[in-house]
Amino acid sequence: QVQLVQSGAEVKKPGSSVKVSCKASGGTFSTYAISWVRQAPGQGLEWMGGTIPIFGTANYAQNFQGRVTISADGSTSTAYMELSGLRSEDTAVYYCARGREVTMIVEAFDLWGQGTIVTVSP
Amino acid sequence: EIVLTQSPGTLSLSLGERATLSCRASQSIRSNYLAWYQQKPGQAPRLLIYGTSNRATGIPDRFSGSGSATDFTLTINRLEPEDFAVYHCQQYGSSLTFGGGTKVEIK
Repeated sequence: QVQLVQSGAEVKKPGSSVKVSCKASGGTFSTYAISWVRQAPGQGLEWMGGTIPIFGTANYAQNFQGRVTISADGSTSTAYMELSGLRSEDTAVYYCARGREVTMIVEAFDLWGQGTIVTVSP
Repeated sequence: EIVLTQSPGTLSLSLGERATLSCRASQSIRSNYLAWYQQKPGQAPRLLIYGTSNRATGIPDRFSGSGSATDFTLTINRLEPEDFAVYHCQQYGSSLTFGGGTKVEIK
């Protein structure tokens, strides 16, 4: 049974960066896209971007261009999301999610990580 | 960017009733690439429907999706206790965006 397990909660200062990891276990990793979706408190879901590990390519949502870096390490079946220039509005739960079809970043997501709470506070 | 508007914001229904949730897009969604998710408090979303009307693995047949172009519907027949949650629609025909969600609560 494939699972996505994310790293633990983070507390960051405004202006700093955060890097969250997402490790896949129990199945194929490199051919499926991994995306990152965030959810601010009491708000809806917001797609940040995704990557296809086998290709090493990434696709970013316009709102996050220049501030987010999504990468993956096939040897450890781990994907990463790094967000820089943090501000209070970035306080949210960050989820990794797997695309349903192989090699498709922009897709429905059939598998999700448990979420990582990132708090940005002075 | 395609904007998805979900309505109503909250739906109050009793056990056994039918829930009808709407998701309207600001422009036509290519190939009807529209998905629905269920999310319970403190949990990650769960895929229910993809491609407008295809149930994801393990999803009971009381959940169904329909629609085309800009108007889409998620129907939940015979509400059960575990169905009370927030439901999100998502389009993936042109980049990727989510709606604001509909909360289905017990009346």
